Amino acid sequence: QVQLQESGPGLVKPSGTLSLTCAVSGGSISSSNWWSWVRQPPGKGLEWIGEIYHSGSTNYNPSLKSRVTISVDKSKNQFSLKLSSVTAADTAVYYCARVGTGTTGAMDVWGKGTTVTVSS
Amino acid sequence: DIQMTQSPSSLSASVGDRVTITCRASQSISSYLNWYQQKPGKAPKLLIYAASSLQSGVPSRFSGSGSGTDFTLTISSLQPEDFATYYCQQSYSTLITFGPGTKVDIK
Repeated sequence: QVQLQESGPGLVKPSGTLSLTCAVSGGSISSSNWWSWVRQPPGKGLEWIGEIYHSGSTNYNPSLKSRVTISVDKSKNQFSLKLSSVTAADTAVYYCARVGTGTTGAMDVWGKGTTVTVSS
Repeated sequence: DIQMTQSPSSLSASVGDRVTITCRASQSISSYLNWYQQKPGKAPKLLIYAASSLQSGVPSRFSGSGSGTDFTLTISSLQPEDFATYYCQQSYSTLITFGPGTKVDIK
């Protein structure tokens, strides 16, 4: 079955750019699914960041849109997140997830998450 | 934005109890409502999609209902492994939003 694995630096300096990758295994990123990023600050709830389709079409959370870029690399079967001009408020666990087909937009497969701390 | 609220924010219950969690959307979302369970240090797990469809592999003690703006997640007989935080999520809008969560702990 499909599995997702996030990777990237665990520590990012303020004003820097957070870069994460989600590797897709057990399936193709070119399937009929959207692929999402969700984050969770320490002790808080879930925040949707955005999503991408293998064609490159994207949807972003307007609250982050000016700082976010999500891209797909079909040759590596992975998708990526870049968040620029980070502050301490961007410290969170970052999850990648698959939006299931036939689930009316529910995220049916999740990565384990990766913790990113913004600190100097 | 579609705002999602949940009640209660937390509850204490005993094994075997029937538990009901409510989620309300700020506007009609038809049946585009999903429920997730999250345990500490773990990723969310999809329980219910499209308001009432049970995700494959999820025990039948979990059920969902509702449409429009008001939705319910019910656990018919709470089991030890069900102590967790539950989130609703709307997928009606291209701006996906989650509820604030309901923490279910042991009484």
